[in-house]
Amino acid sequence: DVKVTQSSRYLVKRTGEKVFLECVQDMDHENMFWYRQDPGLGLRLIYFSYDVKMKEKGDIPEGYSVSREKKERFSLILESASTNQTSMYLCASTKGSRGRYRSYEQYFGPGTRLTVT
Amino acid sequence: RKEVEQDPGPFNVPEGATVAFNCTYSNSASQSFFWYRQDCRKEPKLLMSVYSSGNEDGRFTAQLNRASQYISLLIRDSKLSDSATYLCVASSGGSYIPTFGRGTSLIVHP
Repeated sequence: DVKVTQSSRYLVKRTGEKVFLECVQDMDHENMFWYRQDPGLGLRLIYFSYDVKMKEKGDIPEGYSVSREKKERFSLILESASTNQTSMYLCASTKGSRGRYRSYEQYFGPGTRLTVT
Repeated sequence: RKEVEQDPGPFNVPEGATVAFNCTYSNSASQSFFWYRQDCRKEPKLLMSVYSSGNEDGRFTAQLNRASQYISLLIRDSKLSDSATYLCVASSGGSYIPTFGRGTSLIVHP
């Protein structure tokens, strides 16, 4: 069974704090993703990584950075948290599909509900 | 970026009903398609992949129409436990990034 875990289910931080969200997967997946999900807006991609130390911006990277030092771990960093970053953050992983015809299904972590006050 | 469109609903149906959702995608290069289910305040989980020949899993049937660029999900004999949001996903061949629809809400009532 694929398992994607996230460091916290609920997190409350103050405006201006630096926030680290950790994600670990145990299936040797090449690709990892960070999304945020807000009511009415669906899943929005923040960053993704297709290999160790590789990262690419998604649709809404502003105010975020990421780190992937090991294949199994993908961290999302909020450099200076703001109230508009209050959201549900979801990590996902998938097998690599580079050069292949098909893409593979994503496996999600349980999510971190972050509140910035 | 290319879009995936879904009717947000909610679809409100009685137990035992048959309900169908459609989802349209704009990227004609899309090759891989999926339906995910997301319960309230939980993560999305894969419900089923959608193959060119269609796919059936118990009460759930998924179909792909490439000519009209849509995929569908049919749920027969709805159960209360089917109440959830259903997300449609399309990926172009070999792409790292799938495109998610915003989801269709289903409420099954007694």
